[in-house]
Amino acid sequence: AQSVTQLGSHVSVSEGALVLLRCNYSSSVPPYLFWYVQYPNQGLQLLLKYTSAATLVKGINGFEAEFKKSETSFHLTKPSAHMSDAAEYFCAVSDLTGTASKLTFGTGTRLQVTL
Amino acid sequence: NAGVTQTPKFQVLKTGQSMTLQCAQDMNHEYMSWYRQDPGMGLRLIHYSVGAGITDQGEVPNGYNVSRSTTEDFPLRLLSAAPSQTSVYFCASSYTGGDPDTIYFGEGSWLTVV
Repeated sequence: AQSVTQLGSHVSVSEGALVLLRCNYSSSVPPYLFWYVQYPNQGLQLLLKYTSAATLVKGINGFEAEFKKSETSFHLTKPSAHMSDAAEYFCAVSDLTGTASKLTFGTGTRLQVTL
Repeated sequence: NAGVTQTPKFQVLKTGQSMTLQCAQDMNHEYMSWYRQDPGMGLRLIHYSVGAGITDQGEVPNGYNVSRSTTEDFPLRLLSAAPSQTSVYFCASSYTGGDPDTIYFGEGSWLTVV
């Protein structure tokens, strides 16, 4: 069975500071990994995904994530936070057996950006 | 291109009432699924479908029914609503060709059961 752990339900950073949102996964097969962002009262938007190609994945809005198999991690980073980055972020995992719609989500991390 | 369309966006139900959340996609996706989102719990899979006529249970299927008579539609039925089903519901779809693992989400349906 797959699982995802997001460390820290709330993260607060100053505008311009580094954003680091942590995600660790557990999977018995090579995983597909995703980061989604959710703005208040909206649906989920895909930030980036890892599908066994490059281990460093670049996404939208300046975010990137690095797949580290040895650490079973897929942390999300952004060098400089903007006020518009304030949202909830979800890490998710899917196996490679073809059920692409069958995602297992973490519990989410709410990012607060302060002046 | 409408993508994934969910209706209604907001609904208030009384305990014991039934209702159907509609989900339609116009991308000819094979895979469709329903998730519920609750505070502090992320999104949890309710039911999913890998094609017309094929459905299966996810992590939290109790109290919900689904069917997939066409590729485009994947309705979620609450037969007898309970307050525990107060949640935000998301429909999602994806396909296996080209960019197989991009999953498209609808904008959500906010359901309150009183």
